[in-house]
Amino acid sequence: EPEVTQTPSHQVTQMGQEVILRCVPISNHLYFYWYRQILGQKVEFLVSFYNNEISEKSEIFDDQFSVERPDGSNFTLKIRSTKLEDSAMYFCASRDRGGLVKLFFGSGTQLSVL
Amino acid sequence: GENVEQHPSTLSVQEGDSAVIKCTYSDSASNYFPWYKQELGKGPQLIIDIRSNVGEKKDQRIAVTLNKTAKHFSLHITETQPEDSAVYFCAAALGFQKLVFGTGTRLLVSP
Repeated sequence: EPEVTQTPSHQVTQMGQEVILRCVPISNHLYFYWYRQILGQKVEFLVSFYNNEISEKSEIFDDQFSVERPDGSNFTLKIRSTKLEDSAMYFCASRDRGGLVKLFFGSGTQLSVL
Repeated sequence: GENVEQHPSTLSVQEGDSAVIKCTYSDSASNYFPWYKQELGKGPQLIIDIRSNVGEKKDQRIAVTLNKTAKHFSLHITETQPEDSAVYFCAAALGFQKLVFGTGTRLLVSP
């Protein structure tokens, strides 16, 4: 069964450093998403991406965040200058061209900012 | 924007009992309501979903009901098993862009 793959599974970084979280969505999917989950809290929307541009972004997704689809298979989330409060589990998700927001999630990257 | 409330936050049942988790949403234009199961250290996995033009959907031991007038939907798990223990999230979609998640329910099924 096709799945969304995320790397790395864990990332530890120092405050102020840049991190790049990587995702390989399901191959025939066209819509891509990043969500995050702070420990014990709900899953929060960050950004959606379609046709090589951002479709929607939340208030969390400020100028320190960016997304990119550098090739036909990868989808990345970059945090330019990490803050302590960026510590969370980051999930990538994708869906196909159908009308429903039927998202398939990866296993996540646990980001710890020290 | 859409807001989704979920109750209870924790639910403990004995194996074989039924479990019910309830969610309410704020935007009457929301049209799609999936439920996700999240096991420890893993991403949310879609277990069942319902569209706004359907009142009930069943898949083996799990079912979802939707009351559009009251703007609430529920997950029903019958004959619970220890492997059903996980965190369950409801979600709602407004349009075609994103899911808004509820706060999650930690279900514990004791043998």
